[in-house]
Amino acid sequence: GQQLNQSPQSMFIQEGEDVSMNCTSSSIFNTWLWYKQDPGEGPVLLIALYKAGELTSNGRLTAQFGITRKDSFLNISASIPSDVGIYFCAQIIIQGAQKLVFGQGTRLTINP
Amino acid sequence: DAMVIQNPRYQVTQFGKPVTLSCSQTLNHNVMYWYQQKSSQAPKLLFHYYDKDFNNEADTPDNFQSRRPNTSFCFLDIRSPGLGDAAMYLCATSRDLGQGGAFFGQGTRLTVV
Repeated sequence: GQQLNQSPQSMFIQEGEDVSMNCTSSSIFNTWLWYKQDPGEGPVLLIALYKAGELTSNGRLTAQFGITRKDSFLNISASIPSDVGIYFCAQIIIQGAQKLVFGQGTRLTINP
Repeated sequence: DAMVIQNPRYQVTQFGKPVTLSCSQTLNHNVMYWYQQKSSQAPKLLFHYYDKDFNNEADTPDNFQSRRPNTSFCFLDIRSPGLGDAAMYLCATSRDLGQGGAFFGQGTRLTVV
């Protein structure tokens, strides 16, 4: 099946540093979604991208839809302690019915 | 206000004893999903409803069933929980397939003893 390859799997950074993570696939997509999951909670949608080349910001978060439509990245600038969590890229896959599937996730840990 | 509500937040059940998890939504969305998430893993789709149409994932065990009696509610039934079914169960909704992201509930943490 279609697989989303997300990297890195984990990151350990100092507060105030910038963060970058990405997601790639061998398939072409029309959307890219980025979610964050806090411990013990459900994922929350951060950014949705709908057009190749699109660059979208949400506060300190910036995400881009790759021109090839096979990849996307998420950047976090000037990280703060509440950025800790797991970040997932996600895709809407069409296999008969349409469904939402996730990358493996990037676990972000911040040292104060 | 919470838009996707899962009850209970924490559920403890005995090995082999049927258990039902519930999800309700105030968004009037067409699609409702159930995911299983084990520790340090991504959410794994079990099945989803588009309105009343049920779509089961090929690798979802028969032990897992779902009901959607109306637009607002969806239930996950685990007929005979095993120790391996201990996980976080996430419900999500979306307005229509392919349109924007899905909204998730807070999840139900299931423990099997």
